[in-house]
Amino acid sequence: KAGVTQTPRYLIKTRGQQVTLSCSPISGHRSVSWYQQTPGQGLQFLFEYFSETQRNKGNFPGRFSGRQFSNSRSEMNVSTLELGDSALYLCASSSTGNSYEQYFGPGTRLTVT
Amino acid sequence: AQSVTQPDIHITVSEGASLELRCNYSYGATPYLFWYVQSPGQGLQLLLKYFSGDTLVQGIKGFEAEFKRSQSSFNLRKPSVHWSDAAEYFCAVGVSGGSYIPTFGRGTSLIVHP
Repeated sequence: KAGVTQTPRYLIKTRGQQVTLSCSPISGHRSVSWYQQTPGQGLQFLFEYFSETQRNKGNFPGRFSGRQFSNSRSEMNVSTLELGDSALYLCASSSTGNSYEQYFGPGTRLTVT
Repeated sequence: AQSVTQPDIHITVSEGASLELRCNYSYGATPYLFWYVQSPGQGLQLLLKYFSGDTLVQGIKGFEAEFKRSQSSFNLRKPSVHWSDAAEYFCAVGVSGGSYIPTFGRGTSLIVHP
């Protein structure tokens, strides 16, 4: 099986712009989670989607949003980018709705200038 | 809420030496426990997991971890470290009936000297 894929791998954006990141989970996996990773804050949970519904949400402002499609692919959007949004954004998929076992993609490195 | 502590931010070992990375969690019930590894610029790879049963679990790349309920610990070990093991290691915990979003530790950076 192919692993979790994320596109693009690298992005450079300017403050105030918006960005959309994409994640394709492992085939058959229905849960997709998003994390932000920075040197200062570590790995922080953004949100999780299961069967096209946001099931869990972390403590991030409303500028961060996401969605999941019927094929389980997921996108996350960040609007009005700030310098502090520069981070590695990781997507992880899980096979069922009741498993902690997550499989991560390689991440999207977002740089905001 | 559950929490995970990785007391060591950095650990330096010589190639061929043994390794132990510490992980402590705080939660009353039996947790689900995981160790992940992250190479520079990459995502996290699952090394091993503990759900129940034998408290000594074997993982990939020659790693093992032992669940000690009395110490609320799940330490990762490797008898002989290779230079390619240099990476960031994350411990994660989940609890039965929870949100199914694991709680991650802050990570331990492993440096391997030749």
